[in-house]
Amino acid sequence: AIRMTQSPSSFSASTGDRVTITCRASQGISSYLAWYQQKPGKAPKLLIYAASTLQSGVPSRFSGSGSGTDFTLTISCLQSEDFATYYCQQYYSYPLTFGQGTKVEIK
Amino acid sequence: EVQLVESGGGLVQPGGSLRLSCAASGFTFSSYWMSWVRQAPGKGLEWVANIKQDGSEKYYVDSVKGRFTISRDNAKNSLYLQMNSLRAEDTAVYYCARAHMVRGVEYFDYWGQGTLVTVSS
Repeated sequence: AIRMTQSPSSFSASTGDRVTITCRASQGISSYLAWYQQKPGKAPKLLIYAASTLQSGVPSRFSGSGSGTDFTLTISCLQSEDFATYYCQQYYSYPLTFGQGTKVEIK
Repeated sequence: EVQLVESGGGLVQPGGSLRLSCAASGFTFSSYWMSWVRQAPGKGLEWVANIKQDGSEKYYVDSVKGRFTISRDNAKNSLYLQMNSLRAEDTAVYYCARAHMVRGVEYFDYWGQGTLVTVSS
């Protein structure tokens, strides 16, 4: 199975900050990567697919980049509603696997 | 509006069985692969199983093979997960998710609210 490793596992940031989360795959996955946002007690929400394509309705302050094994999710100007846990997911091969999550907390 | 509503979770003893259901609405259910994804308390996400539009293909994560069975009823717009021989490590919130297929694998564009399964004596 392809292992997905996110860093950091958690960090604190302030509203207005630019934040970046990294996701690394244990083998090349081309651009078959999705990012999700999850708030406490809620279902995950799709933000980005194909590594850099924004899902309809997702604010443009979210962006994704990368291919192969290294990927990033960037939030250009953190808003209060963005404090949540973020997961990457590879869809290059089965079994589908997720990163362990990155929790973005309020500083 | 796409809606996925899971039901059927609860407390079950180790070795027991449970059947989860997911009622879909707001889209043509029979046109989509569907999946189950679970999340143990305080942990990350784990894909469990998926099923093709007509039910002819199914895939499972190794840890549930032989114990869980995914199925669907397109006439009822419903997805199911039959879980047998349950273990403590199966304790999780189980999400129903609509699959967006890309060259035979998928990401998930819509999720239900989840149903909690607790395996404990």
